[in-house]
Parts: sequence; C-alpha cells; structure tokens
Amino acid sequence: DAKTTQPNSMESNEEEPVHLPCNHSTISGTDYIHWYRQLPSQGPEYVIHGLTSNVNNRMASLAIAEDRKSSTLILHRATLRDAAVYYCILRASTSGNTGKLIFGQGTTLQVKP
Amino acid sequence: DADVTQTPRNRITKTGKRIMLECSQTKGHDRMYWYRQDPGLGLRLIYYSFDVKDINKGEISDGYSVSRQAQAKFSLSLESAIPNQTALYFCATSDLQGRGGNTGELFFGEGSRLTVL
Repeated sequence: DAKTTQPNSMESNEEEPVHLPCNHSTISGTDYIHWYRQLPSQGPEYVIHGLTSNVNNRMASLAIAEDRKSSTLILHRATLRDAAVYYCILRASTSGNTGKLIFGQGTTLQVKP
Repeated sequence: DADVTQTPRNRITKTGKRIMLECSQTKGHDRMYWYRQDPGLGLRLIYYSFDVKDINKGEISDGYSVSRQAQAKFSLSLESAIPNQTALYFCATSDLQGRGGNTGELFFGEGSRLTVL
C-alpha cells in the first residue's frame, strides 16, 4: 500500500482557515485519497475523499495536486471542536470494496481560542 | 443511540484470561472491521468481514480471533490475553463503495479500552 506523510502537529487560531498537508508521492492512478479525523476519546469519523478533482462538502474541502502526489485538507473556519487528529489515507480502488484503510500517525491539530 | 455499539467500553483483565469484545450495528451494513490503536500510533486492522460467512485477517491478527454471529454482530476474542494487547479497540462498519452513491466510508464505534495486567 502506498504511504502518506503528514506533519505530526499543527496549530491554528479559532475562526481562521487551516490547511492540512499530505504527501503521497507513490500514489497509484487508481488510489483514492481519504481523510478521517479522530476527536478526543472518540472513534475516527469520515471527513472527505477524492480521486483527481477538488472536492467540497459541509465539513471541509480537499485540494488535490495536479500530479496527485500531494493533497491538502482545508477547514475554512476552524472551531475549537475541530481539534483532533487528522488522518490522510490512500485507499486502493482494488480494496475500495473491502473497506480496508491503512492509518498512519496523522496530524494533531490544536485550535487556539 | 449509537449506530455502532461496542461493549465493554473499558475492561481490565489479567494475563492468560480469555476476553471477548462485542460490536453491534444498526446501520444495516454488510462489512465490519476490528482495529486496534496504541498510544501515538494510528489504527491497525486486526480482522474484517464482508458478510456472515466471510472472515479475513488484517495486518495484526495473531493472538486474536473473531466471530460474525449475524449481520449486525461481530465479536473479537483474545483467547489468552497478554500485556502487549493492552490497547484501544475499535469496531467499524461500512457499506459497499459505490452502491447507491455510497462513499464506502467507515463508521466507527466509540472504542473499547482493554488493559491486560
């Protein structure tokens, strides 16, 4: 499985945008890019995913580089509730129907009031 | 009520004891998974199941077994618990990616914290 690289931690101020980077230089052409986050004392929850085009949903936006070797999760206005560990995960299309996700260590986001 | 329920939420046991962690879901998903999380690490897949008659090993299945009693129930057993199995265990479910526009996203329970002394 292709690996992802994320910074261990990031800080943000409340109500400011946050850009969480992820490098995946060995991504294959059929790998989807998934983001999950894990709030304190909770299980991970799905945030967003994409293949080639940028994606938006109610939680966040996902910007994917043209060569797909990196991506950025964008939280448009960080709130205190967004403090969590954010995981960038590659999901091979061949395993897309298995649901198998390989989690790395993720980025711990701190949001300051 | 939570869609994915794990019991017990916390358990302390001794080395050599048999432990079962249970997971039930009300989402109607066919696919269920067991992950473990250690401090400072991401989640690692232990076992997964596509339906009642299907069981598959994940990354770290040694020392664990599972049972899929029904579509909604998936239990994880430690036949003889050892201290390095002390961890936070998560159950998750998903639907088939693409069916009805489904993203195939995983839905996780709140976790079962197991301590083996």
